[in-house]
Amino acid sequence: GAVVSQHPSRVICKSGTSVKIECRSLDFQATTMFWYRQFPKQSLMLMATSNEGSKATYEQGVEKDKFLINHASLTLSTLTVTSAHPEDSSFYICSARDQVIETYSYNEQFFGPGTRLTVL
Amino acid sequence: GNSVTQMEGPVTLSEEAFLTINCTYTATGYPSLFWYVQYPGEGLQLLLKATKADDKGSNKGFEATYRKETTSFHLEKGSVQVSDSAVYFCALREGGGADGLTFGKGTHLIIQP
Repeated sequence: GAVVSQHPSRVICKSGTSVKIECRSLDFQATTMFWYRQFPKQSLMLMATSNEGSKATYEQGVEKDKFLINHASLTLSTLTVTSAHPEDSSFYICSARDQVIETYSYNEQFFGPGTRLTVL
Repeated sequence: GNSVTQMEGPVTLSEEAFLTINCTYTATGYPSLFWYVQYPGEGLQLLLKATKADDKGSNKGFEATYRKETTSFHLEKGSVQVSDSAVYFCALREGGGADGLTFGKGTHLIIQP
C-alpha cells in the first residue's frame, strides 16, 4: 500500500532556531501534499497545500514566511519552521495525495506518522 | 466556513458491543465525507468515505451513511473487537482531491476484553 514517512519523528530545539521536517511518499508519486498541525486534544488544522514545482498555497492565518514549504520532487515535501518559538510547539502531520494507485483510496490522502516539535 | 463536530471521548466499550460515534458537519457546498482511524504510533488511515447524499461507506465491518438532511455521517459497527481500539476522526472535503480536509477533534475508542 501507499506509505508516507516523516522525518524526524520528534525534535526539540531552542527558541530562535529553524527546524526542517521532511515528508516522503515512499512507493508512489504525489504532485500534491498537505501539511497539517494538531494541538493536544484538538483536530488537525490544514496549514498549506504543497504542489510539486510551484508555490504552496497557505490557509488563512498561516504565516508563509514562518512556515516555508518546498515541494521539489514528486516524492518529497519539506516544511521549515523558521525562527521557532515555544508557541510553534505542536504535532505536524503531512499527507500525500494518491493520484496513481487505483484502489479504494484513489485520489485520497495518505498520512505520515507526524512530527512532534518542542521549542524550548 | 466548514466544520466537523464529533462526540468527545474516550469511549469505552466491551468486546462485541455495538458502536456508534456521532459526527455532524457544516459546509457551504456538497462535501465528500470521511472517517479516518489512527492506531497507536501510526499515521491516519482512511477507513471509509462517501461522496454524495445517501451513499453508504463501509470497510472492515464499519459503516457510515451520508445524511444530507441531518448533515451527519455517524460511524457504526455491530460488534467491536479489542483491535478496533484507536482514535477515529471524521472529516470533510469541500472540493475535489486537490483540496485539504477539515477534521473533527477525534474520538478515542477503547475496547475492553
